[in-house]
Amino acid sequence: GDSVTQTEGLVTLTEGLPVMLNCTYQTAYSTFLFWYVQHLNEAPKLLLKSSTDNKRTEHQGFHATLHKSSSSFHLQKSSAQLSDSALYYCALSFYAQGLTFGLGTRVSVFP
Amino acid sequence: GGIITQTPKFLIGQEGQKLTLKCQQNFNHDTMYWYRQDSGKGLRLIYYSITENDLQKGDLSEGYDASREKKSSFSLTVTSAQKNEMAVFLCASSDRGEQYFGPGTRLTVL
Repeated sequence: GDSVTQTEGLVTLTEGLPVMLNCTYQTAYSTFLFWYVQHLNEAPKLLLKSSTDNKRTEHQGFHATLHKSSSSFHLQKSSAQLSDSALYYCALSFYAQGLTFGLGTRVSVFP
Repeated sequence: GGIITQTPKFLIGQEGQKLTLKCQQNFNHDTMYWYRQDSGKGLRLIYYSITENDLQKGDLSEGYDASREKKSSFSLTVTSAQKNEMAVFLCASSDRGEQYFGPGTRLTVL
């Protein structure tokens, strides 16, 4: 079946430093890849999505590029902000079927 | 825009009890989903529904029933609550692959 593996556990960093969260996946089908962000006591919200190989996708200062050859969709930001502290999920979907999520990465940004 | 509403926000039940969670969306989306969120385990799909009266099982469907009697609503029933069922249940609806999530129902079983 489908699976998603992402940077596990907690990532702590200082404000202004770059962020990179890894995501790799396994699937037998052509899919969409997503990054969702969930702030404390809020619903998960879509951050980025892509289905196009080797195309960079950007939103709110974050970017990711889907590489089908390596089955990866890593999330990056050049300069972390305090407001980026949240839980980040990488996920994949096949048409209308539900999302398959990674275990999530908690990011804590300190001054 | 639209919104997804989940009720109740907090649900406390007894072990063995049958409990129902409700979800409403006004996006007019065809597909709706129920996920369970456990700390350190990510979100796992319980049920989804492509249209009214359609039900599809996800990876975590055992111990749950679902109902989609109209397009805007999707209910989830925990058939017999267990102590290890303490989790947040998230409802979502989707349009062209992008899923929109509700705020969740936090379940505690005593």
